[in-house]
Amino acid sequence: GENVEQHPSTLSVQEGDSAVIKCTYSDSASNYFPWYKQELGKGPQLIIDIRSNVGEKKDQRIAVTLNKTAKHFSLHITETQPEDSAVYFCAAFSAGTALIFGKGTTLSVSS
Amino acid sequence: NAGVTQTPKFQVLKTGQSMTLQCAQDMNHNSMYWYRQDPGMGLRLIYYSASEGTTDKGEVPNGYNVSRLNKREFSLRLESAAPSQTSVYFCASREGQQGKQYFGPGTRLTVT
Repeated sequence: GENVEQHPSTLSVQEGDSAVIKCTYSDSASNYFPWYKQELGKGPQLIIDIRSNVGEKKDQRIAVTLNKTAKHFSLHITETQPEDSAVYFCAAFSAGTALIFGKGTTLSVSS
Repeated sequence: NAGVTQTPKFQVLKTGQSMTLQCAQDMNHNSMYWYRQDPGMGLRLIYYSASEGTTDKGEVPNGYNVSRLNKREFSLRLESAAPSQTSVYFCASREGQQGKQYFGPGTRLTVT
């Protein structure tokens, strides 16, 4: 089955800096890769996703890149703000199964 | 449009007790999922239902049963709770085969 590895497990940045979180997946049939943000005491919220026929997608300060050959994808957050502090999860999906998640990255943005 | 709702929000059980966690979605999604979240372990899939009338095991199904009551509702049952089942449980639903997946607010369960 699918296995998703996520790095780093914790990330601390200064306000205004960029943050990058990386994930690798094992199943070459996976074709959908979402990213979720989870704030304390809440359920995960979808923030951006990318499909296997696209190499990059951007939404304001966040972007995701996908390298299918290397089986890795990354989340990029620019101009970080304190409200970006949260746990971020990557996930991978292949048809007929379910989303499998990485173990999460705790992002801390200090002002 | 409430999205995905879960009840209860909090629960404390004694070892050996049983309970059912309820989940409902109002987005007309076919697929529904149960995950558990433990510190440092991320979100692990317990069971899922790709469509009404079907259920499948995920990564960590032992000690749990599920029922897809209808298209809207997907319940998770603990027949004999154990301390190892202390966790936060999230229900989710998904639009289509490759669509977006949405999570509920979670149920925080403690087994003493």
